[in-house]
Amino acid sequence: ETGVTQSPTHLIKTRGQQVTLRCSSQSGHNTVSWYQQALGQGPQFIFQYYREEENGRGNFPPRFSGLQFPNYSSELNVNALELDDSALYLCASSSPNGNTEAFFGQGTRLTVV
Amino acid sequence: SQKIEQNSEALNIQEGKTATLTCNYTNYSPAYLQWYRQDPGRGPVFLLLIRENEKEKRKERLKVTFDTTLKQSLFHITASQPADSATYLCALVGRGSQGNLIFGKGTKLSVKP
Repeated sequence: ETGVTQSPTHLIKTRGQQVTLRCSSQSGHNTVSWYQQALGQGPQFIFQYYREEENGRGNFPPRFSGLQFPNYSSELNVNALELDDSALYLCASSSPNGNTEAFFGQGTRLTVV
Repeated sequence: SQKIEQNSEALNIQEGKTATLTCNYTNYSPAYLQWYRQDPGRGPVFLLLIRENEKEKRKERLKVTFDTTLKQSLFHITASQPADSATYLCALVGRGSQGNLIFGKGTKLSVKP
């Protein structure tokens, strides 16, 4: 077990709705990253939070947004859901410069219908 | 354009043999390269990290090499076992980046008894 927990584990939403996914990070890690993994693909970087500030963003539209809280837990919000948003969403906690391993949660499987 | 390629989508080998997985990249200057294992429906689990100035790293039955001239990493599992069957992901951390991981698509390894 990595100590990173995500909720919920599975979710079904309708196109156009909004969703919030949650992540509790590994104790002592102040950096949280979110990834989207479509079926048969590698995880794609969405964004990273470091000490409650967004610290980098991948090629995702603004309807993907996030928060990090003082206890370093984090949320991923997606507005105006599209069918292509169906994927496994992964949260990872790590050191801020990538020179150590990332600890991933088990993921949230989001299905948009 | 930047690309990370894991040359085989799938690799089937016999128990006891050595599995060799390949990761090639173009137009990146990675500071670190990491390998992860992912089981179906689960988050990736860290295996090994190698730095740009390192040629080889070992951990038990695992070995990773990193050739920045060839822009390639090889990942070896010796004395493979059916329990090693999983998808293996290669991930880069770019020099000067925020530490986010850039993943390949993965190679699905099947070890037959």
